[in-house]
Amino acid sequence: SAVISQKPSRDICQRGTSLTIQCQVDSQVTMMFWYRQQPGQSLTLIATANQGSEATYESGFVIDKFPISRPNLTFSTLTVSNMSPEDSSIYLCSVGDPAADTQYFGPGTRLTVL
Amino acid sequence: QKEVEQNSGPLSVPEGAIASLNCTYSDRGSQSFFWYRQYSGKSPELIMSIYSNGDKEDGRFTAQLNKASQYVSLLIRDSQPSDSATYLCAVNRGTGFQKLVFGTGTRLLVSP
Repeated sequence: SAVISQKPSRDICQRGTSLTIQCQVDSQVTMMFWYRQQPGQSLTLIATANQGSEATYESGFVIDKFPISRPNLTFSTLTVSNMSPEDSSIYLCSVGDPAADTQYFGPGTRLTVL
Repeated sequence: QKEVEQNSGPLSVPEGAIASLNCTYSDRGSQSFFWYRQYSGKSPELIMSIYSNGDKEDGRFTAQLNKASQYVSLLIRDSQPSDSATYLCAVNRGTGFQKLVFGTGTRLLVSP
């Protein structure tokens, strides 16, 4: 499986600011995904990031709040904009594996908004 | 009805016992099924995949799939305290992309 890294691993931010999370993969992948996992909860898909096209957002998530970039097949960013304490969560990127028809996850970014 | 349902637990078993984790799904067109393990504070880790009816064994883990009844299960034999984690069931609806639907997870506690 691909090796996935995320930066930063954790951050504490003030409300009203924005944070950009980076996801780097050691091989080229077509499908990348961004998830949020709030404390004690399961995974919620934010959007699917495809190289060369706009990200596809899930219901309840909008581009203005969570802009995503996918400049190439090994890298993506997720920005959490105008943050509030409700955005405190773990943000995870994952990559699709077409051979296995599944996903592998990065280590996550733990975000705390004060 | 949720697309993928799991009992949230916790499921408590003694060390050495068999832990049985269950998952049901609603979309009959689902093609692929997965179990992820997530330790507290860590990201999900894929531990089992199953694509056809029957059992699939990998070490102490056995995944079972019954498409007619729309359930997937995970058996962990000789449970160890290190197996204590949340186990997430995930389903691929076969759209041609690797998009998964996750259950809410079952927390497993293995006591020494």
